[in-house]
Amino acid sequence: QSVLTQPPSVSGAPGQRVTISCTGSSSNTGAGYDVFWYQQLPGTAPKLLIYGNSNRPSGVPDRFSGSKSGTSASLAISGLQAEDEADYYCQSYDSSLSGSRVFGGGTKLTVL
Amino acid sequence: QVQLQESGPGLVKPSETLSLTCTVSGGSISTYYWNWIRQSPGKGLEWIGYIYYSGSTNYNPSLKSRVTILLDTSKNQFSLKLSSVTAADTAVYYCARCAYTYAGLDVWGKGATITVSS
Repeated sequence: QSVLTQPPSVSGAPGQRVTISCTGSSSNTGAGYDVFWYQQLPGTAPKLLIYGNSNRPSGVPDRFSGSKSGTSASLAISGLQAEDEADYYCQSYDSSLSGSRVFGGGTKLTVL
Repeated sequence: QVQLQESGPGLVKPSETLSLTCTVSGGSISTYYWNWIRQSPGKGLEWIGYIYYSGSTNYNPSLKSRVTILLDTSKNQFSLKLSSVTAADTAVYYCARCAYTYAGLDVWGKGATITVSS
């Protein structure tokens, strides 16, 4: 059972917009800790996609956007492309776990 | 640009100690926080712990009794030791960097597969 809750899977057709939710609690996302998002393509290491809730590292397309409100965060992907098919993980920190870095269980995005 | 590369034995026997090394190239290890994360087969990501360049550490409470992370600045490497391993420790182990205490992991190694089996 992951500390942060994500839907196991989402899907969308090319060109569509999908969102992936990440729900935490008062000791992590609700405590003011930032949320980060990672993209893991099949057989590769995760890649930082969003930092500080809504910021994109250099090189990440602006089709990817993040937001956070209260104990929940969301990753939105617009203009879906086949290459976006991957696993997506949210991550934050948890004060009840001595400030440990905690991850969501991951969401598999399928591009139909 | 900074690159990370994990190295280790691949196969570890139950009850023994797993040892992995992460070599940092293209930059100095003498800043940043250096992390270990693992991913069990078909599962999600689990943070193991980090070491800061000063030598201070922070470990996942669920693994703390078995984990040691060390830094070797002369070799630009940091290492992971996980004792008393069981089959549940079979995973891909990643090393990764973050810029400050509550930052994201912005550089990752490619991962090292560790199997615990007799």
